[in-house]
Amino acid sequence: NAGVTQTPKFRILKIGQSMTLQCTQDMNHNYMYWYRQDPGMGLKLIYYSVGAGITDKGEVPNGYNVSRSTTEDFPLRLELAAPSQTSVYFCASNEGKGGVLAKNIQYFGAGTRLSVL
Amino acid sequence: AQSVAQPEDQVNVAEGNPLTVKCTYSVSGNPYLFWYVQYPNRGLQFLLKYITGDNLVKGSYGFEAEFNKSQTSFHLKKPSALVSDSALYFCAVRPTGFQKLVFGTGTRLLVSP
Repeated sequence: NAGVTQTPKFRILKIGQSMTLQCTQDMNHNYMYWYRQDPGMGLKLIYYSVGAGITDKGEVPNGYNVSRSTTEDFPLRLELAAPSQTSVYFCASNEGKGGVLAKNIQYFGAGTRLSVL
Repeated sequence: AQSVAQPEDQVNVAEGNPLTVKCTYSVSGNPYLFWYVQYPNRGLQFLLKYITGDNLVKGSYGFEAEFNKSQTSFHLKKPSALVSDSALYFCAVRPTGFQKLVFGTGTRLLVSP
């Protein structure tokens, strides 16, 4: 019963390096999301996807890219890491159905703590 | 624009006492409202939600929340706090027709023995 799995748990990057944060879910959910969490700022939506092959920007997309080639996976790419991207990153998923039977619940991974130095 | 306000950065309460964590929202249309809890080094966990119907919603771990449309509030409550309730609590709103959540900035609940 894995739910949403994020890797790695921790990472330290040097300025200008690139990396991919991995996210996979085994609940066959249509919708997936990437958030960043900064102290005192709550969660800000970076990108989201409503299904394989479809992605869209959230509130704070600059400096990030995503892809959604399968229902299960939604990786987040940082191309040129900057200190401002030091944060905790959370991936989430939602079944994405409408109507009165929809659960409307987002399920979160445990997070990736990223430091850019 | 949709927004959620959690006016208290931290709420302190003694174990056994009732607790309230406040949340107000601003959204057009009928909102879906949620509370999530985050324990240290963990992701957010769903606590409860209001979609429609009874204004008092019951959720996990003995928590409940009351939807008040006239005051645009959705305060989280528990009759008797436990030390294990100490965590970061987030209120969130999902505008009708959207599948995105807007989160508040979070309130840290500290329950002392």
